[in-house]
Amino acid sequence: DTGVSQNPRHKITKRGQNVTFRCDPISEHNRLYWYRQTLGQGPEFLTYFQNEAQLEKSRLLSDRFSAERPKGSFSTLEIQRTEQGDSAMYLCASSLYSATEAFFGQGTRLTVV
Amino acid sequence: KQEVTQIPAALSVPEGENLVLNCSFTDSAIYNLQWFRQDPGKGLTSLLLIQSSQREQTSGRLNASLDKSSGRSTLYIAASQPGDSATYLCAVSSDKSSGTYKYIFGTGTRLKVLA
Repeated sequence: DTGVSQNPRHKITKRGQNVTFRCDPISEHNRLYWYRQTLGQGPEFLTYFQNEAQLEKSRLLSDRFSAERPKGSFSTLEIQRTEQGDSAMYLCASSLYSATEAFFGQGTRLTVV
Repeated sequence: KQEVTQIPAALSVPEGENLVLNCSFTDSAIYNLQWFRQDPGKGLTSLLLIQSSQREQTSGRLNASLDKSSGRSTLYIAASQPGDSATYLCAVSSDKSSGTYKYIFGTGTRLKVLA
C-alpha cells in the first residue's frame, strides 16, 4: 500500500473554469476527508465520507464545490466557476475507522489566475 | 465550537536542544489527538496519535502527552536536528457530543533547527 494518493499535484486554471481533483485513499479505509489549507494556516475541514456516504459538509463548501465517493473507494472534489479565493492546497486524508489515525496525501495545489 | 491553539507560532533553536511544542483545545470531549509534521509545500505526515484514554505516546525522539481535562497536549522533541525543521500541527478529533469525527487543526508551530 503506497498511502493516500492525490492527483494532480498542481493545477493552474483561469478564473471561471471548472476543476476536479482525485483522491485515492489507503485501501480498506472507510473514512475519507477533504481539507483546504491556505498559506500560514492549519488545514480547514471541508467534508468527509464514511464509505460512499457524505456525512458532513462544512459551511466553507459553497454551492460551487461538490464531492463524491462512488462505491466507497476513490473520491473526487470538483470546484465549478473557480475564483481567485479558491487558490489553496487541497488535502485528502483517510482513516480505517472513526477516531483512528488519519493519513494525508501530498495535496493538490490549486492556483486560480 | 472546538478551537485549537498552538504556541509558539515559530521557534528557532540550535541543534541538539530539547524542545517542547504546545497545543491547547477548548472542548475536552475529544476522541483523540494527533500530531503531524508538514514540510513546505507538502502534505501532512502523521507523527503520533494519542487516544483520549491515554496520557502519552512515544516514537523515537518524540514524546507526546495529553491532559484532556485541562485541554492541553505537548510534543517533546529530544536532541533536535536540522532535519526536524518543519511545521508541526496538532489536531483533535471532535465533536464527541454530536458524534462527528472530523479533525480540527491548530495553525501550527514553525520550527527551525540551526546547524
